[in-house]
Amino acid sequence: NAGVTQTPKFQVLKTGQSMTLQCAQDMNHEYMSWYRQDPGMGLRLIHYSVGAGITDQGEVPNGYNVSRSTTEDFPLRLLSAAPSQTSVYFCASSYSFTGLIETQYFGPGTRLLVL
Amino acid sequence: ELKVEQNPLFLSMQEGKNYTIYCNYSTTSDRLYWYRQDPGKSLESLFVLLSNGAVKQEGRLMASLDTKARLSTLHITAAVHDLSATYFCAVDDNQGGKLIFGQGTELSVKP
Repeated sequence: NAGVTQTPKFQVLKTGQSMTLQCAQDMNHEYMSWYRQDPGMGLRLIHYSVGAGITDQGEVPNGYNVSRSTTEDFPLRLLSAAPSQTSVYFCASSYSFTGLIETQYFGPGTRLLVL
Repeated sequence: ELKVEQNPLFLSMQEGKNYTIYCNYSTTSDRLYWYRQDPGKSLESLFVLLSNGAVKQEGRLMASLDTKARLSTLHITAAVHDLSATYFCAVDDNQGGKLIFGQGTELSVKP
């Protein structure tokens, strides 16, 4: 049982490049989410999904796309990287009972540097 | 729009002392979460508080929720160095999937 996995662990991009951050979970969780963590700002929700085929925007969705074609995978796409997207990105998953989120399990994070 | 505020943001404690971290939020919510993050690491779930008056304890940490006051507390009893970490609260905004986090409280426990 690997829990929540994220790849890559670290990535350097040039401004304007695109890339996909991968997230996978093997716990059959309905709910998955992406956060970014910046110093002094806590975690901010980018996008989330309550099940396969269903996604929605969080607090800071601009510049990011997501899709959820399977229960296990929830990739985050950066369309055209900007220095402001330099951050640590965390993926999380949990059971969702009647729309309410249970204990969230976080992945190890991806550190992204945009030059 | 739901806003979540923690205080203090930084806390330096001596071992053996007690202290409380506060988490205030601005709109009605059905549940509140506490997480711990060690430096350079991911987040670990500590507590999920489901209703008004909920109290949960694990070791030296005790969390409570007052939904009427829109306030949760994380109480630390007889702090030890191993509790040094950043603690986050997060609140469900009752819109079916949005968790809003506080800024975090960086706790340092010194001998």
